[in-house]
Amino acid sequence: DGGITQSPKYLFRKEGQNVTLSCEQNLNHDAMYWYRQDPGQGLRLIYYSQIVNDFQKGDIAEGYSVSREKKESFPLTVTSAQKNPTAFYLCASNEDGGGSYTFGSGTRLTVV
Amino acid sequence: AQSVSQHNHHVILSEAASLELGCNYSYGGTVNLFWYVQYPGQHLQLLLKYFSGDPLVKGIKGFEAEFIKSKFSFNLRKPSVQWSDTAEYFCAVSTSGTYKYIFGTGTRLKVLA
Repeated sequence: DGGITQSPKYLFRKEGQNVTLSCEQNLNHDAMYWYRQDPGQGLRLIYYSQIVNDFQKGDIAEGYSVSREKKESFPLTVTSAQKNPTAFYLCASNEDGGGSYTFGSGTRLTVV
Repeated sequence: AQSVSQHNHHVILSEAASLELGCNYSYGGTVNLFWYVQYPGQHLQLLLKYFSGDPLVKGIKGFEAEFIKSKFSFNLRKPSVQWSDTAEYFCAVSTSGTYKYIFGTGTRLKVLA
């Protein structure tokens, strides 16, 4: 079955460390997204990519970085510059502009 | 700036009660509208979507939503809720020709058995 795989499901990071969250899709979708979900704030867009080797900042990109070297993969790095990284991170993809998203199951990151 | 408002943050209903969750957006152009649901411990999934045509759209599990362009609204409804509808519901908007969505802050629905 096609879908989005996010790993790991839970991640613990020490302050000052960078950490990379994986997102892989086998849906042949062009566009991929990273959202951060915090209680009471809904989903906020971190980065998105419409095509391989291109990506755009979302609303809260500071302290994050991404790459899109392959169509199937869109990893997110949470850097030490992110002031409040503890959150639930969701990866999504869609086929064309405006189409409905398919979401991954998320990664819960906790800074200890 | 574009925004999506969900005014009900927490809703508690008894089984068989009717449900209406509000969603308003701010954008004057053509939009695509979505409702997503996140059941406890599960990932977000699409409930229904509106792109064009009949403004009353039907989704999965008996949900429906009505697009009222003059009110910039896309409210979600269900005539009779079940305990299994307990979840968080998100309204989202994308503008025509763009890729990214803007999400509302979500509504947590709890249905009492």
